[in-house]
Amino acid sequence: AAGVIQSPRHLIKEKRETATLKCYPIPRHDTVYWYQQGPGQDPQFLISFYEKMQSDKGSIPDRFSAQQFSDYHSELNMSSLELGDSALYFCASSATGTGYYGYTFGSGTRLTVV
Amino acid sequence: GESVGLHLPTLSVQEGDNSIINCAYSNSASDYFIWYKQESGKGPQFIIDIRSNMDKRQGQRVTVLLNKTVKHLSLQIAATQPGDSAVYFCAEKTSYDKVIFGPGTSLSVIP
Repeated sequence: AAGVIQSPRHLIKEKRETATLKCYPIPRHDTVYWYQQGPGQDPQFLISFYEKMQSDKGSIPDRFSAQQFSDYHSELNMSSLELGDSALYFCASSATGTGYYGYTFGSGTRLTVV
Repeated sequence: GESVGLHLPTLSVQEGDNSIINCAYSNSASDYFIWYKQESGKGPQFIIDIRSNMDKRQGQRVTVLLNKTVKHLSLQIAATQPGDSAVYFCAEKTSYDKVIFGPGTSLSVIP
């Protein structure tokens, strides 16, 4: 079965650079959620989109922005990267009416800022 | 604020024994409580959930217990296997189906 696809799997950037993470939800899923997971920490909710509109916002820094496109894939844009941004970034997708039962996570993008 | 965990407690169990992983939650208004399993290098994987008006739910080899009085959630894994080794997170479902994760517990199964 198709899963949530994230790219790239690994990314190394220098401080103050920008990064773009991509998330391709399961077909027919209309909601995307982004999470950040630091080393040894629990995943922290960043932002979510439903039908290409931002539906909720968590602890996302102002340096980060995200959007969901017409094909429902989502991109997380990160600027002025800091060492503390090094983390695993997960996205999850779900379909309206299924609640979180259809809440499937991707394998994540590991971002390392040097 | 929302549930955040900085510590990663570790639980070591012998293969074949039962495991119990505990979690304290903070938001009494949550509709559902969920357990996720996260293996190294992978995203969280749904294990089992429980609705807030229930106190026990059983799945295959797993049981979740909810004690709303003391805001406590537990996951019991029967006959723990090496493949159960992972980090386990409790989580709460909030509005817009957003899932808020609680502190993880690293489960290590000794063969």
